[in-house]
Amino acid sequence: DQQVKQNSPSLSVQEGRISILNCDYTNSMFDYFLWYKKYPAEGPTFLISISSIKDKNEDGRFTVFLNKSAKHLSLHIVPSQPGDSAVYFCAAQSAGKSTFGDGTTLTVKP
Amino acid sequence: KAGVTQTPRYLIKTRGQQVTLSCSPISGHRSVSWYQQTPGQGLQFLFEYFSETQRNKGNFPGRFSGRQFSNSRSEMNVSTLELGDSALYLCASSLVLGGQKNTGELFFGEGSRLTVL
Repeated sequence: DQQVKQNSPSLSVQEGRISILNCDYTNSMFDYFLWYKKYPAEGPTFLISISSIKDKNEDGRFTVFLNKSAKHLSLHIVPSQPGDSAVYFCAAQSAGKSTFGDGTTLTVKP
Repeated sequence: KAGVTQTPRYLIKTRGQQVTLSCSPISGHRSVSWYQQTPGQGLQFLFEYFSETQRNKGNFPGRFSGRQFSNSRSEMNVSTLELGDSALYLCASSLVLGGQKNTGELFFGEGSRLTVL
């Protein structure tokens, strides 16, 4: 049973437009939800997180929205830039353990 | 501040052999966790160590083991290698168990890519 799911393996957007990456989860006990970005041949790097008691967190071009009733979170990138092209992992944390989704490959076209 | 360092970066083994991977966390970080990444499978949690004790364990067979030393450096070992063990093995560290306080952030190394032939 996969507790964290990213249903879209890939997403392609035009430079300057909005990128929306989605993630669904099943466990209501998660404390934090995080997004990581990964380039090839590198480890994932932390992008932004949100506590389970909040519904929105913003950091520059990146905003994460949490809908607890739908058990859904999304990452908005506005405006998208070619350098944002990478694999994005959604993660949820509970009891000291992080559970990751399978990742979404974002391609931002110039 | 140096990041998380993993060695070796790349290695090739044959079936039946064993392998040991090393991870040096960020200075001062006491928690080290290990993940396996295979194509299309995301990051699968292996185990987490804090103060030399395994605190959490994922759903991997007993062939996968690890340990943490008093200086917080960690090693993971895979015995009797199988073809399916070919993957990128990632180590992550944090100050406290389960990720940084208030964000849950983990700091990842660049990984050790294992190929089993």
